[in-house]
Amino acid sequence: DSGVTQTPKHLITATGQRVTLRCSPRSGDLSVYWYQQSLDQGLQFLIQYYNGEERAKGNILERFSAQQFPDLHSELNLSSLELGDSALYFCASSPAPGQGAWDEQFFGPGTRLTVL
Amino acid sequence: ELKVEQNPLFLSMQEGKNYTIYCNYSTTSDRLYWYRQDPGKSLESLFVLLSNGAVKQEGRLMASLDTKARLSTLHITAAVHDLSATYFCAVVLNSGGYQKVTFGTGTKLQVIP
Repeated sequence: DSGVTQTPKHLITATGQRVTLRCSPRSGDLSVYWYQQSLDQGLQFLIQYYNGEERAKGNILERFSAQQFPDLHSELNLSSLELGDSALYFCASSPAPGQGAWDEQFFGPGTRLTVL
Repeated sequence: ELKVEQNPLFLSMQEGKNYTIYCNYSTTSDRLYWYRQDPGKSLESLFVLLSNGAVKQEGRLMASLDTKARLSTLHITAAVHDLSATYFCAVVLNSGGYQKVTFGTGTKLQVIP
């Protein structure tokens, strides 16, 4: 158990809908990362937040957005869903700079999104 | 754009044998991670390699980083069935004060008793 929690574990929805995925980082971790893993695209970095601010962007679609709240939990919002958005979405957290191996990321169990 | 290539993509090996997984990347970076993923599970951090020449070992796995060659290796010694999983390398690229992480394609390792 990495200490990172994600809800829900599974989500089934229809095309065109909007969903929100939630992530709670490990205690003390200020950075949160979101990843998408699918069979055809592999594992892709979407976005990173550090202490509430966006820090880095990867291959995140405009239909997707994220935020990190003052209590450091993060939400990934996926809208106008398409069949191709079906994937496993992981959240990871890492320690703040200066706390040892601050780059090391700890992954949550993931949310499996199925778009029908 | 940073490209990260792993090979082989699939590796079937017998217990007790040694083998190496390779991770090549296209742009200068001095931070590389190795992760393990069991089927249907999340990713587990194995190694963080932070500098050229870094070598880390944990049990039957040893990872090294050569930033000049833009190459990292994950060496498996005397493989056991429990090592069966998919292994990913991931490379960090700093750009304009931001960092981006790019994952390799993964190497699916199957250790046969």
